Amino acid sequence: DIVMTQSPDSLAVSLGERATINCKSSQSVIYSSNNKNYLAWYHQKPGQPPKLLIYWASTRESGVPDRFSGSGSGTDFTLTISSLQAEDVAVYYCQQYHSFPYTFGQGTKLEIK
Amino acid sequence: EVQLLESGGGLVQPGGSLRLSCAASGFTFSSYAMTWVRQAPGKGLEWVSGISTGGGSTYYADSVKGRFTISRDNSKNTLYLQMNSLRAEDTALYYCAKELEVAGLFDPWGQGNLVIVSS
Repeated sequence: DIVMTQSPDSLAVSLGERATINCKSSQSVIYSSNNKNYLAWYHQKPGQPPKLLIYWASTRESGVPDRFSGSGSGTDFTLTISSLQAEDVAVYYCQQYHSFPYTFGQGTKLEIK
Repeated sequence: EVQLLESGGGLVQPGGSLRLSCAASGFTFSSYAMTWVRQAPGKGLEWVSGISTGGGSTYYADSVKGRFTISRDNSKNTLYLQMNSLRAEDTALYYCAKELEVAGLFDPWGQGNLVIVSS
């Protein structure tokens, strides 16, 4: 199984400041056939189900604000929120969809400082 | 609007069985693969099982293989998860989710249905 490890486990950032969450996979999630990174980011607001934010490591899902961006390749990935808003308080998860079983990181809890 | 509504959860004794259902609306159910993901209380997300559009292909996490069975009824727009030989560690909020055209991407998710395995 591909193990996904996020850092940090929790993060407190001031409103308007940048938040950065890291995700590392135990093996590459790139398929050589298309050179795409099979890495997604979700967030889960309190009391709600998860919601897809980013896929292919850097493609924003429709309707996701452009303050959210993803980067990275191979085994190391980053989710950046450029200017934190109050509604961004959530737990953030990375997920690999390269191979079964699909696996998620342990989550990063993002709070307002 | 896509809606996914899970039902069938509850309290069950270890070794018991439950069947979860997920009623889908707002999209052509038969055209999309579907999946179940669970979340133990206060914990992270664990993919449980997935099924192809026609139901001919099914996939399971090792933790549930041989005990859980995923199925779907496209005529009823409903996804199922039959859970047998339940264990305490199966206690979780179970979400159904629609897979996007890209396999392994899940959106949206239902609100979740709680399963508690306890004596």
